[in-house]
Amino acid sequence: NAGVTQTPKFQVLKTGQSMTLQCAQDMNHNSMYWYRQDPGMGLRLIYYSASEGTTDKGEVPNGYNVSRLNKREFSLRLESAAPSQTSVYFCASSAGSDTDTQYFGPGTRLTVL
Amino acid sequence: GDSVTQMEGPVTLSEEAFLTINCTYTATGYPSLFWYVQYPGEGLQLLLKATKADDKGSNKGFEATYRKETTSFHLEKGSVQVSDSAVYFCARLNTGGFKTIFGAGTRLFVKA
Repeated sequence: NAGVTQTPKFQVLKTGQSMTLQCAQDMNHNSMYWYRQDPGMGLRLIYYSASEGTTDKGEVPNGYNVSRLNKREFSLRLESAAPSQTSVYFCASSAGSDTDTQYFGPGTRLTVL
Repeated sequence: GDSVTQMEGPVTLSEEAFLTINCTYTATGYPSLFWYVQYPGEGLQLLLKATKADDKGSNKGFEATYRKETTSFHLEKGSVQVSDSAVYFCARLNTGGFKTIFGAGTRLFVKA
């Protein structure tokens, strides 16, 4: 059982380049999330998808777009990367109720030069 | 707005010492409360949770009690091990919501 998988694990971009972070879960979860983790700031929600076919902004959505491709997959796109987007990005999923545990992927470490 | 505040780290303890990591939350509604743990190079994983007032969550020797009167969910362990070295995150999830609010994290170092 793979749980939540993310690709790539590491990425270095130049300012202005674009890229897509991929996330997939095999737990048949309804809800999926993208977070960024920066030192001293915990995790901040970028976007989430409460169910297949829906996406909503989180706390820090500027500079990002998302696609809920199907129930399993939820991608995050940086259209024009900026140094402020240097961070560790985590994808997570949950069944979708308000007592639910979130299950996290291993993360993508992104550096924007 | 909703928030979670936890004690700043790092916390450094010797093996077998008693651990407390404080966590308080803003009292909006009746959230579910969680402690997640992050080991080096990995994503977060659930350590324990409590979904209503006075509930106690426990796992791997860690405990936390949902205290509505003090809006707290402090994490405790009676005897820490070197393998407990990690970053610990307190979190809340609002009733009917999808957004989990995380604290800033507390790094724990346990020395042999």
